[in-house]
Amino acid sequence: DVKVTQSSRYLVKRTGEKVFLECVQDMDHENMFWYRQDPGLGLRLIYFSYDVKMKEKGDIPEGYSVSREKKERFSLILESASTNQTSMYLCASSVRGEAFFGQGTRLTVV
Amino acid sequence: AQSVTQPDIHITVSEGASLELRCNYSYGATPYLFWYVQSPGQGLQLLLKYFSGDTLVQGIKGFEAEFKRSQSSFNLRKPSVHWSDAAEYFCGLETGTASKLTFGTGTRLQVTL
Repeated sequence: DVKVTQSSRYLVKRTGEKVFLECVQDMDHENMFWYRQDPGLGLRLIYFSYDVKMKEKGDIPEGYSVSREKKERFSLILESASTNQTSMYLCASSVRGEAFFGQGTRLTVV
Repeated sequence: AQSVTQPDIHITVSEGASLELRCNYSYGATPYLFWYVQSPGQGLQLLLKYFSGDTLVQGIKGFEAEFKRSQSSFNLRKPSVHWSDAAEYFCGLETGTASKLTFGTGTRLQVTL
């Protein structure tokens, strides 16, 4: 089975902290994604990557950056966390459009 | 720019009734289209996908969807809903050489007994 693993299920951080969300996939997929999920807003794409060291902005990249140094790992970075970044963050990897999602990280910024 | 619209935020159906969830997309070429389901407290699971060929695609759990190019739609259907189908459903669109995958805002399905 494909496995996408996010490092934390729940995270509480303080405003202004630098936050790292880690995601690892074990199926050698080229494409990886970070989304945030908020009630009524669905899944919004933050960043995606189609190859090692390659990244593309999604629809809401402001306040975020990403890193993909190895094919299996895709990290989301909140440079200076703010309360409006409190959300559920979902990582996914895909092949031919079929995405496999991690269980999500619920981040609370206080 | 590509986009996906799910016009219905919330739908309630009775168990045993038929279901149709709407999805419209905006994209200049032939898209790859998907439906995912997210049960309460669970991750997202692929229900079905359309790449090309037959415009009526069958998925898991008795779901099907029909691609209509003229209407830019990819509606999800099920002839008889079960209480376990209560969940949130997301329509997705993949575009571009970089395989950008975007989703609609979701439709929450409630099933009454």
